[in-house]
Amino acid sequence: EAQVTQNPRYLITVTGKKLTVTCSQNMNHEYMSWYRQDPGLGLRQIYYSMNVEVTDKGDVPEGYKVSRKEKRNFPLILESPSPNQTSLYFCASSLVASSTRGEQFFGPGTRLTVL
Amino acid sequence: AQSVAQPEDQVNVAEGNPLTVKCTYSVSGNPYLFWYVQYPNRGLQFLLKYITGDNLVKGSYGFEAEFNKSQTSFHLKKPSALVSDSALYFCAVRLLEGSARQLTFGSGTQLTVLP
Repeated sequence: EAQVTQNPRYLITVTGKKLTVTCSQNMNHEYMSWYRQDPGLGLRQIYYSMNVEVTDKGDVPEGYKVSRKEKRNFPLILESPSPNQTSLYFCASSLVASSTRGEQFFGPGTRLTVL
Repeated sequence: AQSVAQPEDQVNVAEGNPLTVKCTYSVSGNPYLFWYVQYPNRGLQFLLKYITGDNLVKGSYGFEAEFNKSQTSFHLKKPSALVSDSALYFCAVRLLEGSARQLTFGSGTQLTVLP
């Protein structure tokens, strides 16, 4: 089954404790992206990657890191989480970054709480 | 810059009645427009898109959307609402010309269909 998977689905942590949220897709997509969803703000892009070893900042990259060492994986790293990073996080992928299709496939989400 | 506005945080409609979820956009060029739906505890799912051509676009689950260039709107519609349509709906826009950041999302509209 074609899908985007994220782990963990739920995470409660404390300020300053490094964490990684994994994202994996099995559709051979070049483009992958991380979003955070906050009430009243919709989805805001954190980072994106157009292919292996190619990453760039989205609209709200502060406090986050990413890496793209393999095509299928795009982990999100919070080196020193803070309470303002409490949010619902989504990973997404699509076949080609600037194709006319544009549909993205989303993972199920990771709900992160930073105390 | 591109932006999307969903003026209603909440829309309530009785089952069997027509529904409309509003979206207006702003881009400095020709837009691609999208609707996504998010069911509880799930990631976003693609519903439909407008690229070019017919202003009335048909999508999944009986939904359709009408592109109105003069009013810069892309309202989502369905002739007869179902209780199972209750979900969070997001409008999104991107420029026709390639942009690696792809989509800008609206803040979302919670649709509740009452039995």
